[in-house]
Amino acid sequence: GDSVTQKQGQVTLSEDDFLFINCTYSTTTYPTLFWYVQYPGQGPQLLLKVTTANNKGISRGFEATYDKGTTSFHLQKASVQESDSAVYFCALTGNTRKLIFGLGTTLQVQP
Amino acid sequence: DAAVTQKPRYLIKMKGQEAEMKCIPEKGHTAVFWYQQKQSKELKFLIYFQNQQPLDQIDMVKERFSAVCPSSSLCSLGIRTCEAEDSALYLCSSSQSEGSQNTLYFGAGTRLSVL
Repeated sequence: GDSVTQKQGQVTLSEDDFLFINCTYSTTTYPTLFWYVQYPGQGPQLLLKVTTANNKGISRGFEATYDKGTTSFHLQKASVQESDSAVYFCALTGNTRKLIFGLGTTLQVQP
Repeated sequence: DAAVTQKPRYLIKMKGQEAEMKCIPEKGHTAVFWYQQKQSKELKFLIYFQNQQPLDQIDMVKERFSAVCPSSSLCSLGIRTCEAEDSALYLCSSSQSEGSQNTLYFGAGTRLSVL
């Protein structure tokens, strides 16, 4: 079945550092790929979404490119802020209607 | 901004008791999903409704849960007999239509603690 892999459980950075969160996926169809962010006490909220291979999603300084060749959708941000501290989930919809999530990456940004 | 409302925010039950949580989907959304989240990490799919009909659910839901959407503006998820392993955050989400590209909008969840 469809699956999403996030290998980094936790990332700790300082303000203005570069962020890279790894995400790879597996599906037999053409997926829609998502990054969701979850702040404490809240449900996940959409950060960005991409539906077409080789396209890039951009939102609030974050970006991710749908790479069909490497089946990856890594999340990047040039300069993180303390307010970016949250849990980030890579997700996809592929062969089924439901959203399949990765295990999540906790980002902690120190001032 | 989308607004999915979940009630109650917190629920405490003893082992063996019944639990019920409610969800008001975003107005106009026809698809409703429930997820279970433990320890603020992995989101586990539970059940999916389209136009108030359940279309997909995991075995655990079939066996021990009760889930209905009696109207387009209200859904509920119940646990017939709570077990300690059911302690988790239950998240309801909705989306506009059936297409796989549609974004899911989540509520803040109901945190269930089973003692």
